[in-house]
Amino acid sequence: DAKTTQPPSMDCAEGRAANLPCNHSTISGNEYVYWYRQIHSQGPQYIIHGLKNNETNEMASLIITEDRKSSTLILPHATLRDTAVYYCIVRVAFSGGSNYKLTFGKGTLLTVNP
Amino acid sequence: DVKVTQSSRYLVKRTGEKVFLECVQDMDHENMFWYRQDPGLGLRLIYFSYDVKMKEKGDIPEGYSVSREKKERFSLILESASTNQTSMYLCASRPIKNTGELFFGEGSRLTVL
Repeated sequence: DAKTTQPPSMDCAEGRAANLPCNHSTISGNEYVYWYRQIHSQGPQYIIHGLKNNETNEMASLIITEDRKSSTLILPHATLRDTAVYYCIVRVAFSGGSNYKLTFGKGTLLTVNP
Repeated sequence: DVKVTQSSRYLVKRTGEKVFLECVQDMDHENMFWYRQDPGLGLRLIYFSYDVKMKEKGDIPEGYSVSREKKERFSLILESASTNQTSMYLCASRPIKNTGELFFGEGSRLTVL
């Protein structure tokens, strides 16, 4: 799986958009970008994933650059409950039973301030 | 919503005790996983299971075993707990057709004295 680089921490004001960057310059053509987050003392929570196109769901938007070497997770209106560690993971899509590994790095601690 | 339930949020055990960590999911998922999370080391995969009675070693299986007698339940067993097994243990599941996400439980924080 390709290596990812994220800033260790970021701050965001409540109600504003939070833009979390991730660099993955060695990404391969069949590797997806996944985002998870982990609120303190809880298990990780899936947010979104994408391959080439930008993706949006009820939680966030994922913007992937055209060369796919970087991406940005956008939380459009951050709330205090969005304070968490956000992990960007690059790997091939989960498919058959042997394809199980999900490697979490250190992620970005996003702190949403009142 | 998918729910992955881990039996205990906090446990304190003594060195040498046998420890059972239970995980139950309610969405008929085929795959289930046990990870441990330690500061600075991220999540490391201990064991996973493709389906009932199937199990495969992950990256750090030493000192652990697992049991999957029913599809919804995946148990992690520490045969003889040691202090270096003090950690946060996370269970996850996914359906085999899913390409995107793992569903995690809330974690079990185990302290071995």
